[in-house]
Amino acid sequence: GAGVSQTPSNKVTEKGKYVELRCDPISGHTALYWYRQSLGQGPEFLIYFQGTGAADDSGLPNDRFFAVRPEGSVSTLKIQRTERGDSAVYLCASSLGSVSYNEQFFGPGTRLTVL
Amino acid sequence: GENVEQHPSTLSVQEGDSAVIKCTYSDSASNYFPWYKQELGKRPQLIIDIRSNVGEKKDQRIAVTLNKTAKHFSLHITETQPEDSAVYFCAAHYHQFYFGTGTSLTVIP
Repeated sequence: GAGVSQTPSNKVTEKGKYVELRCDPISGHTALYWYRQSLGQGPEFLIYFQGTGAADDSGLPNDRFFAVRPEGSVSTLKIQRTERGDSAVYLCASSLGSVSYNEQFFGPGTRLTVL
Repeated sequence: GENVEQHPSTLSVQEGDSAVIKCTYSDSASNYFPWYKQELGKRPQLIIDIRSNVGEKKDQRIAVTLNKTAKHFSLHITETQPEDSAVYFCAAHYHQFYFGTGTSLTVIP
């Protein structure tokens, strides 16, 4: 079946602009995670959804970052007033449920470049 | 919060030799430890994982060991092949996943 998909694959924007990044999880997966990965680093946790609700948003760096998952499937990560330091690959992952050892399946990522 | 450290950052081995990557974690409540392989420009993929109630797990040429007392876990790859070349990440889970900084493995033919 289809894996996790993310759109767009690449996004170039100017400093101060607003961007939305979309994640389509695997059908039936209730858990959804957003990560940010900078060059040469491991994925950095941003937010975790269980169903429609954000179960843990402690990784969001500041209030410019926000994410939603209104129907418990597709999720959108929203970044306001982008800064050059926001440039990174944004990864989404989904898993069957909230149990920790349910395998996470990652999407291909969205490479965000803020000029 | 949890802190995961990973060593070495780069590792080169001859084809057929073994490779070992080590991670330590700080929060004794962490209970699940997956390892991911990430090829250049691609998404991370799970290669093996271990739960806190198990000391060792093996899958063909890959094995993971966990020492809960010392709070460290290791990835072992035997009979390495060029296609094993990639960046490997360890992670520890307690409420959320905390990743190590990665090890770039190069297998020299």
